[in-house]
Amino acid sequence: DAKTTQPNSMESNEEEPVHLPCNHSTISGTDYIHWYRQLPSQGPEYVIHGLTSNVNNRMASLAIAEDRKSSTLILHRATLRDAAVYYCILPRGSARQLTFGSGTQLTVLP
Amino acid sequence: DTEVTQTPKHLVMGMTNKKSLKCEQHMGHRAMYWYKQKAKKPPELMFVYSYEKLSINESVPSRFSPECPNSSLLNLHLHALQPEDSALYLCASTSSGANVLTFGAGSRLTVL
Repeated sequence: DAKTTQPNSMESNEEEPVHLPCNHSTISGTDYIHWYRQLPSQGPEYVIHGLTSNVNNRMASLAIAEDRKSSTLILHRATLRDAAVYYCILPRGSARQLTFGSGTQLTVLP
Repeated sequence: DTEVTQTPKHLVMGMTNKKSLKCEQHMGHRAMYWYKQKAKKPPELMFVYSYEKLSINESVPSRFSPECPNSSLLNLHLHALQPEDSALYLCASTSSGANVLTFGAGSRLTVL
């Protein structure tokens, strides 16, 4: 199964863009890359997912490297409410279930 | 309704008690999940139900017993738990064929 590697923590200033990296060098060709975030005292929340092309939605953008060995979650203007643990997730196991890695704790500074 | 509702939000139980955690969704999702999350750790998959049948059991001890009485409800029955089972228990659901999970807020369990 492919493994994801993320920095343990990152800081950003409020209203500035944030780029959260994820390495997944052993990803298979058909696996989607998923991002979830978990705000304090809440369950995880879906952010975005993609396969090969860059993806945009109202929450964020996902930039996927051409070789698919890495991806970057982009928050265009961080707010204090974006402070959370961000998880980059790949499907694992024969049933291709989403399995969480350690994630990145994002701190947004006012 | 786009929510997964978990009850109770908090539960304290002794090691000899029997209790249950409940999860409900009305989004028509046919797959439902239990995850366990210890403090400062990522969620760990415990069980998956697909079309009300248990499809995945991640080698969870038998003191945790899941039940899916219908497509909207998922229970986790707890018996003879240990203090190390204290954690946040998260329920999630997804529509069949998709892989976008909707999580509840969790039930925080403390075992004394």
